[in-house]
Amino acid sequence: KQEVTQIPAALSVPEGENLVLNCSFTDSAIYNLQWFRQDPGKGLTSLLLIQSSQREQTSGRLNASLDKSSGRSTLYIAASQPGDSATYLCAVVNTDKLIFGTGTRLQVFP
Amino acid sequence: DADVTQTPRNRITKTGKRIMLECSQTKGHDRMYWYRQDPGLGLRLIYYSFDVKDINKGEISDGYSVSRQAQAKFSLSLESAIPNQTALYFCATSDPGTGAGTQYFGPGTRLLVL
Repeated sequence: KQEVTQIPAALSVPEGENLVLNCSFTDSAIYNLQWFRQDPGKGLTSLLLIQSSQREQTSGRLNASLDKSSGRSTLYIAASQPGDSATYLCAVVNTDKLIFGTGTRLQVFP
Repeated sequence: DADVTQTPRNRITKTGKRIMLECSQTKGHDRMYWYRQDPGLGLRLIYYSFDVKDINKGEISDGYSVSRQAQAKFSLSLESAIPNQTALYFCATSDPGTGAGTQYFGPGTRLLVL
């Protein structure tokens, strides 16, 4: 059974820091991996999707990497801003079903 | 207008009551999903549907049922609500032809069962 773990569970940093959020999964036979952002009381917004054949994806200040062999993905946030405060979820895709991690709650303070 | 809408957004009900959560989408996607989110447990899949005639159980389907009334509509029912069904419920859609698994989520329905 696929299990997805995210570390750390919570993170509080000052504005301007570069951040790394970690996601690990137990079964490397994934179709792709997706990172989401969730604001309090809101739905999920897709940030990046990495195909299983890819090593990384970039969008603005966000960069996500994927290492299937080690069962790991990282989300790198450059020059963090207070507006980045949210919960970040990773999910692995297996035959179009998402299996989610428990998330990293990020707070960026001015 | 939002691509994936859920009604109601908030609901309080009593143990034993039957309730229905509704999801509508304008994205034209065939695939729709229902998840629940509990603190510390992430999102878990309840049911999913790959087209109007296809319904599949997810990880935690006990106590729930679904109906796919049309391509655009997918409803989740709690036949007899119990307090441990208190959670945040999300509907999602996907189109495997674009984005290979990217899912688009509704805003969620917050359900409290007393």
